[in-house]
Amino acid sequence: GEDVEQSLFLSVREGDSSVINCTYTDSSSTYLYWYKQEPGAGLQLLTYIFSNMDMKQDQRLTVLLNKKDKHLSLRIADTQTGDSAIYFCAGGSNQAGTALIFGKGTTLSVSS
Amino acid sequence: GAVVSQHPSWVICKSGTSVKIECRSLDFQATTMFWYRQFPKQSLMLMATSNEGSKATYEQGVEKDKFLINHASLTLSTLTVTSAHPEDSSFYICSALRLASNEQFFGPGTRLTVL
Repeated sequence: GEDVEQSLFLSVREGDSSVINCTYTDSSSTYLYWYKQEPGAGLQLLTYIFSNMDMKQDQRLTVLLNKKDKHLSLRIADTQTGDSAIYFCAGGSNQAGTALIFGKGTTLSVSS
Repeated sequence: GAVVSQHPSWVICKSGTSVKIECRSLDFQATTMFWYRQFPKQSLMLMATSNEGSKATYEQGVEKDKFLINHASLTLSTLTVTSAHPEDSSFYICSALRLASNEQFFGPGTRLTVL
């Protein structure tokens, strides 16, 4: 089955860029997602990318996908203290009704 | 975007009691809902897939008699933790699948603490 790996912790200073990395094993994942989870809260979808895309940009967020290496990254430009949270990458197939497979999450800590 | 609610948002119960958690899709119909469990500082693990009008499909290692799932309508799925024990304490998150767009929308989660 699918396995999704992430680095567990990232610390940056306010105003810097953050890059959170993720690797996955199942090349049939057709959607790859980034979710944000603030303490005690549910998941918030930040962005997603189709597997036939290399890059997607959405305001301060840039997602890069290297399908050959099965590597996904999320770059947050001008990181703010409000960006401190746990970030999960998740993979899903195109088949309707399938659940997502999540990485363990990367805790992003932003210091002022 | 679509909204999924969960109730209650947190619950504390005594060991041996049963707890029901509701997951509702507020502005769309969801024939499929998923129940996830998250232990502290860990990822979400899929527990079961809930299909409206049929039995839920449980992941390996999840006891179906302990975690009862009922998906009685297109907007409501319930998870009942029966005879809860302290090791069941966790954060339970549901998601609802909007079939038209194949998107999952997550509820805010329910924190269960069993004393």
